[in-house]
Amino acid sequence: GIQVEQSPPDLILQEGANSTLRCNFSDSVNNLQWFHQNPWGQLINLFYIPSGTKQNGRLSATTVATERYSLLYISSSQTTDSGVYFCAADTGNQFYFGTGTSLTVIP
Amino acid sequence: EAQVTQNPRYLITVTGKKLTVTCSQNMNHEYMSWYRQDPGLGLRQIYYSMNVEVTDKGDVPEGYKVSRKEKRNFPLILESPSPNQTSLYFCASSFTGGRTDTQYFGPGTRLTVL
Repeated sequence: GIQVEQSPPDLILQEGANSTLRCNFSDSVNNLQWFHQNPWGQLINLFYIPSGTKQNGRLSATTVATERYSLLYISSSQTTDSGVYFCAADTGNQFYFGTGTSLTVIP
Repeated sequence: EAQVTQNPRYLITVTGKKLTVTCSQNMNHEYMSWYRQDPGLGLRQIYYSMNVEVTDKGDVPEGYKVSRKEKRNFPLILESPSPNQTSLYFCASSFTGGRTDTQYFGPGTRLTVL
């Protein structure tokens, strides 16, 4: 299967700061998704982004499929952004998740 | 309300006692999947189903069974649970895998096997 690596594993930010999370994948994929797991364990889809750039409010994501990586940008972070961010590579029928970036935003 | 539901949300059981975790979606999705989440390992796919009566193994299928007799339901069966199956389990669904749509996740089932 595909190897998916995320960095950094942990991140602590002051409220209002910006951050970039990275996701590398070892082979070509059909699709790349970003998820946020909140402190209560709920998994929410953020972006469905096989290539290019998408923006949703303070969050944006870029996938460069030819170079096998994706970036998630969080601007003006808020305490509600805390949680774990996962990327997941889709190879057709199967999904491979990274081990996540744990983000803590402090007031 | 569009949603994926799982039951039970929490379960403590003993080694060898068969159990079933149910999963149901009300979005008429074709694709359904089960994952387990363990500390430091992210989510790993157990089984997936492209449609009714079609199921396939994911990355970690050993010790699990599934069935897809109806489009809306995709139960996960542990016929003889062992302590290494203690984990947080998620069910997910989407229209056609990841090719054209995102996955929607259930709230999770926390299983402890003693």
